[in-house]
Amino acid sequence: GAGVSQTPSNKVTEKGKYVELRCDPISGHTALYWYRQSLGQGPEFLIYFQGTGAADDSGLPNDRFFAVRPEGSVSTLKIQRTERGDSAVYLCASSPFRGGQDTQYFGPGTRLTVL
Amino acid sequence: ILNVEQSPQSLHVQEGDSTNFTCSFPSSNFYALHWYRWETAKSPEALFVMTLNGDEKKKGRISATLNTKEGYSYLYIKGSQPEDSATYLCAFAYQAGTALIFGKGTTLSVSS
Repeated sequence: GAGVSQTPSNKVTEKGKYVELRCDPISGHTALYWYRQSLGQGPEFLIYFQGTGAADDSGLPNDRFFAVRPEGSVSTLKIQRTERGDSAVYLCASSPFRGGQDTQYFGPGTRLTVL
Repeated sequence: ILNVEQSPQSLHVQEGDSTNFTCSFPSSNFYALHWYRWETAKSPEALFVMTLNGDEKKKGRISATLNTKEGYSYLYIKGSQPEDSATYLCAFAYQAGTALIFGKGTTLSVSS
């Protein structure tokens, strides 16, 4: 079946602009995660949804970052007033239930470059 | 702060060599340990989820072991092939319903 998809695959923007990154999880998966991988680092947790609600948003670095999942499926990560330090690969993952022991299935990521 | 360490950071082997990597994680509050393989321009691919001390898992030429008491896991690749070239990530979960805490990965390069 279809895996996790993310769009766009690449996004180049200018400092100060607003961007939206989209994630389409595997159909039926209730848990959805956003991670960010900066150069030389492992993926770092941003936010976790269980259904429509954000169960844990403790990884969001500041209030410029926001994510929604209004119908419990597609999720959008929104970044306001982008900064050069936001440049990274943004990964989305979904899992059938609550994560932890469940495999998280990852999308290919969106590479964000802020000039 | 929960930290996951992987070593080595990178290595280069010849086709046919066997190799192994280490993942160290907090031994307290253990829930699960995940291994992923991430090839350039592709999605990270799940290899194993390990939950019990002493677990050993195998998938083709790749296997992994888990020691939760001392907080480490080994990933072994037998007879490396060029297609094994990738970054291998381990990730730790300390309870149900939480996100994974990743190490920085080990980047493997296999020459033919």
